[in-house]
Amino acid sequence: AQSVTQLDSQVPVFEEAPVELRCNYSSSVSVYLFWYVQYPNQGLQLLLKYLSGSTLVKGINGFEAEFNKSQTSFHLRKPSVHISDTAEYFCAVSLTGAGSYQLTFGKGTKLSVIP
Amino acid sequence: GAVVSQHPSWVICKSGTSVKIECRSLDFQATTMFWYRQFPKQSLMLMATSNEGSKATYEQGVEKDKFLINHASLTLSTLTVTSAHPEDSSFYICSASVGGVGDQPQHFGDGTRLSIL
Repeated sequence: AQSVTQLDSQVPVFEEAPVELRCNYSSSVSVYLFWYVQYPNQGLQLLLKYLSGSTLVKGINGFEAEFNKSQTSFHLRKPSVHISDTAEYFCAVSLTGAGSYQLTFGKGTKLSVIP
Repeated sequence: GAVVSQHPSWVICKSGTSVKIECRSLDFQATTMFWYRQFPKQSLMLMATSNEGSKATYEQGVEKDKFLINHASLTLSTLTVTSAHPEDSSFYICSASVGGVGDQPQHFGDGTRLSIL
């Protein structure tokens, strides 16, 4: 079974500062990796995904993440945050085999951008 | 693209009432739909997975007789909370996926906040 650990439950950061949200996963087989964002009282929106190829993945809203297989990490970064980035961020994995499409989510990291 | 509409967004009802939540994929055909429950300040808990035309697969600990799932077409899945009680109050979120493999991202609805009085 796979698991996802988001090391920080809350991350406060000043506006225009850089931010990194950490995600580590555990799996005995290959996985796909995702980051989702959830705004208050809304569903989840896909930020970016890693399936294969380049380990640096660029997503929407200026976010990017880097897949590090040796460290089993998939940290999310943004060089300069905005107030509108305040939200809950979830890291998730799914298996790569056919029919293995269920997502396993981390517990989420609440990003609070301070003006 | 890949829009999922969930309705209603908020419902308040009396204990004992049954509540139906709809999840529609508006611009794609969803082979698979998922239903999640999210408690305050927690992650999403997968309740069940449904494929069009077949019975839903429920996760361990989820009462299938209480949470009825129907996936009658490639664009519509419904979750009915039968005889709802206050402990069923929660945020329910559906998602839809095009294919049956992990590289197809799930597209999420905006959720339904269910409050049982």
